[in-house]
Amino acid sequence: DAKTTQPNSMESNEEEPVHLPCNHSTISGTDYIHWYRQLPSQGPEYVIHGLTSNVNNRMASLAIAEDRKSSTLILHRATLRDAAVYYCILRTGNTPLVFGKGTRLSVIA
Amino acid sequence: DTGVSQDPRHKITKRGQNVTFRCDPISEHNRLYWYRQTLGQGPEFLTYFQNEAQLEKSRLLSDRFSAERPKGSFSTLEIQRTEQGDSAMYLCASSPHTGGGTKNIQYFGAGTRLSVL
Repeated sequence: DAKTTQPNSMESNEEEPVHLPCNHSTISGTDYIHWYRQLPSQGPEYVIHGLTSNVNNRMASLAIAEDRKSSTLILHRATLRDAAVYYCILRTGNTPLVFGKGTRLSVIA
Repeated sequence: DTGVSQDPRHKITKRGQNVTFRCDPISEHNRLYWYRQTLGQGPEFLTYFQNEAQLEKSRLLSDRFSAERPKGSFSTLEIQRTEQGDSAMYLCASSPHTGGGTKNIQYFGAGTRLSVL
């Protein structure tokens, strides 16, 4: 599976936007970019995914670089409930997820 | 609640004992996955089922581990002769169907935390 690189941790103030970066320079043409997050003491939770075009849903936006070698998860207004570990994952089809260490997001009130 | 259910939530056992965990997937989800997560790490894939067939097993799944999914519904993960290194969170996930798009989303349970003393 192709690898992704994320910062270990990031910090944000409450109600401000957060941009979580992910590098995936070895992405293949069939890889989708998935984001999951894991709140404390819970299992991972799907956030968003995309292939080439930017995507929006009620939780977040996903901005994908034109060459697809990087992407950014955007939380438009961080809340305390968004404090979690965010995982960027490349995936083809319905294969098992390959998690890295993710980015631990802290939100400051 | 129609999410993925795991039981028990916590298990404490002595080294050498056998333990069994249960996962009830979301109804009609035909894929079921098991992952293991140790402190500070992301989840690691162990095995997955499509209906009752076990399609893939990770090299992490030693001979002491066995998983079943009779009748393609709930699944069990058994660890025999537990070791302290087996202490971890065991996560189960299910997804609705093979194919693209939203059908690829995995829905996770809250996990079973195993402590081997």
